[in-house]
Amino acid sequence: DGGITQSPKYLFRKEGQNVTLSCEQNLNHDAMYWYRQDPGQGLRLIYYSQIVNDFQKGDIAEGYSVSREKKESFPLTVTSAQKNPTAFYLCASRVGGANTEAFFGQGTRLTVV
Amino acid sequence: QKEVEQNSGPLSVPEGAIASLNCTYSDRGSQSFFWYRQYSGKSPELIMFIYSNGDKEDGRFTAQLNKASQYVSLLIRDSQPSDSATYLCAAPERDSGGGADGLTFGKGTHLIIQP
Repeated sequence: DGGITQSPKYLFRKEGQNVTLSCEQNLNHDAMYWYRQDPGQGLRLIYYSQIVNDFQKGDIAEGYSVSREKKESFPLTVTSAQKNPTAFYLCASRVGGANTEAFFGQGTRLTVV
Repeated sequence: QKEVEQNSGPLSVPEGAIASLNCTYSDRGSQSFFWYRQYSGKSPELIMFIYSNGDKEDGRFTAQLNKASQYVSLLIRDSQPSDSATYLCAAPERDSGGGADGLTFGKGTHLIIQP
């Protein structure tokens, strides 16, 4: 079955620690995205990539980093510079083009302990 | 900066009634819109896509787009308790080359269907 897989589902981070969230898709989509969702809030764009080896900052990129070495993979690292990382993180992919839907992974809930 | 606005709710509707969800947007150039449904703790799933003025129907769902008023809505007929969720309106971003960077989401409307 085609889809997007995020792992882990739950992640706990200690203060000052970097953590990496995995996102893999087998839909052959060119574009991939990372969103952050806080309680009662919509989705805010962190980073996106439209092609391998290229990515762009979204609205809230500070404290995060990404890579796009393969078309299928778009991992997100939450660095120690991100002072309030507790949130629900969603990875999405699209074929590309304005009139195409975004498909989402099941999300990773990150909590700082 | 494109903005997509939704009333956060909660919107409470009796079972069997019509639920009406609204969304306004700031970019007059926006051509298409997506409605996603998100259950608590889950990821969003697409329920409707509309790009033409007027109505688009799919089962119990009808999306309505009025580009002149910069307004898009979602109607749910014969509301069921399983329709209780947050509904997110989204519009594509446009980069400087006219391509799509991603989707801008509203904050979502929390819908409660009362049995």
